[in-house]
Amino acid sequence: DIQMAQSPSSVSASVGDRVTITCRASQAISNWLAWYQQKPGKAPNLLIYATSSLQSGVPSRFSGSGSGTDFTLTISSLQPGDFATYYCQQANSFPYTFGQGTKLEIK
Amino acid sequence: EVQLLESGGGLVQPGGSLRLSCGASGFTFSSYGMNWVRQAPGKGLEWVSGISGSGGKTNYADSVKGRFTISRDNSKNTLYLQMNSLRVEDTAVYYCAKDKTSTVTYFECWGQGTLVTVSS
Repeated sequence: DIQMAQSPSSVSASVGDRVTITCRASQAISNWLAWYQQKPGKAPNLLIYATSSLQSGVPSRFSGSGSGTDFTLTISSLQPGDFATYYCQQANSFPYTFGQGTKLEIK
Repeated sequence: EVQLLESGGGLVQPGGSLRLSCGASGFTFSSYGMNWVRQAPGKGLEWVSGISGSGGKTNYADSVKGRFTISRDNSKNTLYLQMNSLRVEDTAVYYCAKDKTSTVTYFECWGQGTLVTVSS
């Protein structure tokens, strides 16, 4: 199975800050990577797919990059609604696997 | 608008069975793969199982293989998950999720989830 490791596990930031979350795959997954946002008590929401493609309706302050084994999600200017938990997911092969999550908290 | 609505969760004893359903609307159901993803209380996301649009291909996580069965009825726009030999560690919110495209599994749309609690 492909293991996905996110860092950091949690991060504190302020509105307006730029934040970067990293996801590392245990083997190369080309660009088959997605990012999700999850708020407490809610289902996850797809933000980015195929490493860098923005899902329809997602603000452009979210961006993704990387290839192979190393990927990043960047939020360019944090807004109040961005404080949530973020997960990466590999879609390269079964079983599809997620990172352990990064909790983004208000400083 | 795409909508997914899960049902069938509840409290069950270890070793018991449960069948989850997910009703879909707002898209051509038979054209998309569908999945079940679960989340144990306070934990991360775990993909459980997936099925192709036609229902001809299925895949499972090792943790549920041989115990869970995914199926779909395209005439009823409904996805199912039959869960047998349930264990305490199967306790989780179970989400159904639609593939973004017919060829790659990104979870584009999710239901609200249904809670399965396995406890004596």
